[in-house]
Amino acid sequence: DAKTTQPTSMDCAEGRAANLPCNHSTISGNEYVYWYRQIHSQGPQYIIHGLKNNETNEMASLIITEDRKSSTLILPHATLRDTAVYYCIVAESYNTDKLIFGTGTRLQVFP
Amino acid sequence: GAVVSQHPSRVICKSGTSVKIECRSLDFQATTMFWYRQFPKQSLMLMATSNEGSKATYEQGVEKDKFLINHASLTLSTLTVTSAHPEDSSFYICSARARYGQGGTDTQYFGPGTRLTVL
Repeated sequence: DAKTTQPTSMDCAEGRAANLPCNHSTISGNEYVYWYRQIHSQGPQYIIHGLKNNETNEMASLIITEDRKSSTLILPHATLRDTAVYYCIVAESYNTDKLIFGTGTRLQVFP
Repeated sequence: GAVVSQHPSRVICKSGTSVKIECRSLDFQATTMFWYRQFPKQSLMLMATSNEGSKATYEQGVEKDKFLINHASLTLSTLTVTSAHPEDSSFYICSARARYGQGGTDTQYFGPGTRLTVL
């Protein structure tokens, strides 16, 4: 079973920041938070992951609360091409831990 | 990021035939690959974990004799759907895990998926 809880859907205006929340209250100390997105009929695309500290890359920022029980993925300037299902997953980074996908958040970016 | 390819991207076959899907990591070596299946409007479901040079580990409820997995090299895993039936029609997606210490990454990268339609 997925270890995360996400809203089913969200809307965001083009050019605005999209903030996607994720709850993972049972996360263990050695588990990372991973974010992927899936555009219709394509394979999931890796976005970002983190353990404790906030992370930023060319795609997004990941804000993890101090107790690590929740996190927020931020797309700073959403475009229409960011419309997708976004998955928040917790998993160990090393060894061969599996990624268990929940239902994700369907983000709709509108003009 | 790392690139994973799948072939074919789309396949249509008759009921009772077997179909092979290839998953390749193009710019990194993957000791572990994963196979997922996704039905319309549903999330990805993990089918099996494929380790290079050893037998695959199947998730509960997945028939290992029906979904044959071979991970013969560090860049190639294959999934063969044997005696396919219409209920096997689905979107099959693989992912490859970068070997720890190579490329400075420790995450999974996904292929573009293969859409299987069994008539």
